[in-house]
Amino acid sequence: KAGVTQTPRYLIKTRGQQVTLSCSPISGHRSVSWYQQTPGQGLQFLFEYFSETQRNKGNFPGRFSGRQFSNSRSEMNVSTLELGDSALYLCASSLEGLAEAFFGQGTRLTVV
Amino acid sequence: QQPVQSPQAVILREGEDAVINCSSSKALYSVHWYRQKHGEAPVFLMILLKGGEQKGHEKISASFNEKKQQSSLYLTASQLSYSGTYFCGTGGSSGNTPLVFGKGTRLSVIA
Repeated sequence: KAGVTQTPRYLIKTRGQQVTLSCSPISGHRSVSWYQQTPGQGLQFLFEYFSETQRNKGNFPGRFSGRQFSNSRSEMNVSTLELGDSALYLCASSLEGLAEAFFGQGTRLTVV
Repeated sequence: QQPVQSPQAVILREGEDAVINCSSSKALYSVHWYRQKHGEAPVFLMILLKGGEQKGHEKISASFNEKKQQSSLYLTASQLSYSGTYFCGTGGSSGNTPLVFGKGTRLSVIA
């Protein structure tokens, strides 16, 4: 079966702009989580969506938002980009919270 | 709250063993272990649920100590393919709690 697909793979944006990242989970998976990965910080939890509802949110500013559609696809939006937002953004899908999570290849965002 | 992993990095020669620890200041209900190779997505290794169960995956196994709020990943007779960054993720008592990952342990296996 198809894995988790994230688009685009790479992005370069200017400070102050906004960006939208997309994640298509594995068919049948209703839980989608987003993580920010930077060197030395590991995987920082952003938020989790389940059946179109945000179920959990990490400690990130309100500039980071997301949503999930009825087909479980999810988008993440970052407004007013800052240099510190440069990172690899990973999404992971699972059947539910305690199940194995499958990660996408990530979107590498560079803010200049 | 982010679990704490130790060591931060380790270098092994092929055939040597290693232990990676994951500690939490909160009660643990589930621990997930993942491995990420350079430039790739994290890949699932195993889940341990509350109950002190030990699991194995090839020559990689893990334990879960509820009282110590700690999990350990054991890699025996390491192979070059074991190189990567290992992450532990801690979950809550139900599927409603998201996985919170540690900062990772970078493992390098050399010939």
